[in-house]
Amino acid sequence: GENVEQHPSTLSVQEGDSAVIKCTYSDSASNYFPWYKQELGKGPQLIIDIRSNVGEKKDQRIAVTLNKTAKHFSLHITETQPEDSAVYFCAASRFNQGGKLIFGQGTELSVKP
Amino acid sequence: EAQVTQNPRYLITVTGKKLTVTCSQNMNHEYMSWYRQDPGLGLRQIYYSMNVEVTDKGDVPEGYKVSRKEKRNFPLILESPSPNQTSLYFCASSWSGQGVYEQYFGPGTRLTVT
Repeated sequence: GENVEQHPSTLSVQEGDSAVIKCTYSDSASNYFPWYKQELGKGPQLIIDIRSNVGEKKDQRIAVTLNKTAKHFSLHITETQPEDSAVYFCAASRFNQGGKLIFGQGTELSVKP
Repeated sequence: EAQVTQNPRYLITVTGKKLTVTCSQNMNHEYMSWYRQDPGLGLRQIYYSMNVEVTDKGDVPEGYKVSRKEKRNFPLILESPSPNQTSLYFCASSWSGQGVYEQYFGPGTRLTVT
């Protein structure tokens, strides 16, 4: 079946460093790739997404890149801050599926002051 | 305030005792979904609903039931809970139609079945 692999499972960085989380998907028909951030005790919240007709998207300190050929996509966080500490999930979907997301396993990011 | 609410937030129960977790959204979203979150497995979809009276199985539907009688509500029913259903459950909603839209998640329900 369809699946999404996410690495690493845990990531620890110093404040101000960059963090990169990588995902690989299996369904070549996937064309929508959101990233969710889950803070402790809360539900996941969308932070950025990318569609397959775009190779890169940036929003302030957060960027996502997509390599459709390799079926890889990555989240890049620059100038990390302690409030970036959370669990991050990547997901993949077909745009015409109306909402079915396949999630990765999650990455626990810790930013040390 | 736009939100998805779930109740209860925490629940400890015993094997076989039927329970219902409620989910409600105030954004007039057509699409609603239930996920379970387990360590190392991410979020897995249990059931989803494209609109009132339209529901379908997700990836891990065994042992669960849902209903969608009103647009705003999407309760999750465990008829005979078992310990392997101990998990963190999330309800989510979004617009639907011809595309994928941001899913808004509730705060989660932590269920323990002993």
